[in-house]
Amino acid sequence: AQKITQTQPGMFVQEKEAVTLDCTYDTSDQSYGLFWYKQPSSGEMIFLIYQGSYDEQNATEGRYSLNFQKARKSANLVISASQLGDSAMYFCAMREGEGSYIPTFGRGTSLIVHP
Amino acid sequence: NAGVMQNPRHLVRRRGQEARLRCSPMKGHSHVYWYRQLPEEGLKFMVYLQKENIIDESGMPKERFSAEFPKEGPSILRIQQVVRGDSAAYFCASSGDRVNTEAFFGQGTRLTVV
Repeated sequence: AQKITQTQPGMFVQEKEAVTLDCTYDTSDQSYGLFWYKQPSSGEMIFLIYQGSYDEQNATEGRYSLNFQKARKSANLVISASQLGDSAMYFCAMREGEGSYIPTFGRGTSLIVHP
Repeated sequence: NAGVMQNPRHLVRRRGQEARLRCSPMKGHSHVYWYRQLPEEGLKFMVYLQKENIIDESGMPKERFSAEFPKEGPSILRIQQVVRGDSAAYFCASSGDRVNTEAFFGQGTRLTVV
């Protein structure tokens, strides 16, 4: 079974608008971490934001915020005030504390920001 | 820069040759993960290592692929007798001991088999 599901293969957003990239996860562990990474066309994997399963508040990092809904097992990434440089692939990932340390990735969402 | 270092960035091999990909984790990180990424696809887990130990190699092909993380030196992903289907980007990531820490990635090695 898929541990991380990203249902949006591609998303488009107008520059300066906000966009939400969806991510749902599947785990029976109580302790886990959720991560988002950005992969621009140059290929490197850039860490964006982290949310711990015990964190009560949603994580925020600059224009990135994570909408964490534990009961729904969702960890959506919200990018505010989109910029042209945000065009990239975005991957959601999870590490499970009681299972293994291995980060498991979703298939990714391609985001294109239009001017 | 004490980030994850991978080399080479690009590697071209003829069919049948060996490919060696190196990864030096971030300072203080003892967990190393190798992933393969095919064009237009996500990252597929290959192997998880700690110093001198392979913890999980469930994603590694049974033949031609091997990995090590010696006590001294970088982690090595070795592909023997490469075939065209091995052409991909290979990423290494490292992390600390706690699950609530992110894994940091190297810039990847792009292997092309001709």
